[in-house]
Amino acid sequence: SQQGEEDPQALSIQEGENATMNCSYKTSINNLQWYRQNSGRGLVHLILIRSNEREKHSGRLRVTLDTSKKSSSLLITASRAADTASYFCATDHDKIIFGKGTRLHILP
Amino acid sequence: AAGVIQSPRHLIKEKRETATLKCYPIPRHDTVYWYQQGPGQDPQFLISFYEKMQSDKGSIPDRFSAQQFSDYHSELNMSSLELGDSALYFCASSFGVHEQFFGPGTRLTVL
Repeated sequence: SQQGEEDPQALSIQEGENATMNCSYKTSINNLQWYRQNSGRGLVHLILIRSNEREKHSGRLRVTLDTSKKSSSLLITASRAADTASYFCATDHDKIIFGKGTRLHILP
Repeated sequence: AAGVIQSPRHLIKEKRETATLKCYPIPRHDTVYWYQQGPGQDPQFLISFYEKMQSDKGSIPDRFSAQQFSDYHSELNMSSLELGDSALYFCASSFGVHEQFFGPGTRLTVL
């Protein structure tokens, strides 16, 4: 299975702090994507990192990829209340396999 | 920019009824994927089509069928609906095996 598995499963931090979520996967990938999902809403694509990249930035997001360890991390800096959501990593070969997600809660 | 369109956005059906969900991919995308996300669950891959042919199959029940038409839109047909079919159904499209773009989802409620 290429399932991404995120940890932690739930994370609560104060507004303004940084949030780090990790993802591990099992087989070779073309790329790895991170998605956000607000409760009961659609999936929003955040960032894609290709298998030959090690780090990528987009605004307050920083993603790293370690293909030797088959793991990725998503860092959200200076968190805001609006960042409260579930975050999924997904590996991409022919289809996307989602992990169970990290439920991030930003405390005011 | 054009995004993936799904219709309807919300659908309420009775048990044993039939439902049809539609997905319109981003223009020039040739691949469509269907995912099901139950309450509190992670999205699960159901089925995908490339150039109007089924390309991969996941955990799609036999009661469900899907197809991709000549204009690349796709329909997911669900028959003999069960309470457990209540979920968010996402469609995604891509150009080949490149990045998938997700639609807003259809929320199906089976009563």
